[in-house]
Amino acid sequence: GEDVEQSLFLSVREGDSSVINCTYTDSSSTYLYWYKQEPGAGLQLLTYIFSNMDMKQDQRLTVLLNKKDKHLSLRIADTQTGDSAIYFCAERASDYKLSFGAGTTVTVRA
Amino acid sequence: DTEVTQTPKHLVMGMTNKKSLKCEQHMGHRAMYWYKQKAKKPPELMFVYSYEKLSINESVPSRFSPECPNSSLLNLHLHALQPEDSALYLCASSPSGEGKTQYFGPGTRLLVL
Repeated sequence: GEDVEQSLFLSVREGDSSVINCTYTDSSSTYLYWYKQEPGAGLQLLTYIFSNMDMKQDQRLTVLLNKKDKHLSLRIADTQTGDSAIYFCAERASDYKLSFGAGTTVTVRA
Repeated sequence: DTEVTQTPKHLVMGMTNKKSLKCEQHMGHRAMYWYKQKAKKPPELMFVYSYEKLSINESVPSRFSPECPNSSLLNLHLHALQPEDSALYLCASSPSGEGKTQYFGPGTRLLVL
């Protein structure tokens, strides 16, 4: 079965780095995703990584994957107030199904 | 163009009304999805269309009726809904190749009175 877990809340000071953690359980090769949801909006795809990769960087975002521990993290450098949102980790469970974590609410304080 | 559009943005309906939600994408994606999302929760999959055929129905009540008129459009017809059906309804699409990364629309916020 698939089960994705992530911490529910993160508070970070503006300008600092944020790290959001996620664990997944499916041991087969798969894609792992990070989505961002701002209040009242849909889900925005931030980045994704295939499970044969260790790291992926895209501007302020760095994704690290520890396949042995089934641990995924998203690091946001120089966190801004616009980064305040709910971040969902998701694992591709089958061709068309995603298994989502509960979402981490990130609050950026001045 | 990496955009999925949804109309309307907001919808208020009574329990005896019939209404429809619409979704459109022009990315050439051949899979389209409907999700239901309650506040502060992850989205829950409702339906998947692949190549305009219904592939997955996650045991959704028959008061929700999906339709895929063509490869760019997806509708969700609503009839005799209950107050507990109030939620954000999200549409998504994905390519048919490897990865099938899903791209979401902005959603329709539905309130059933």
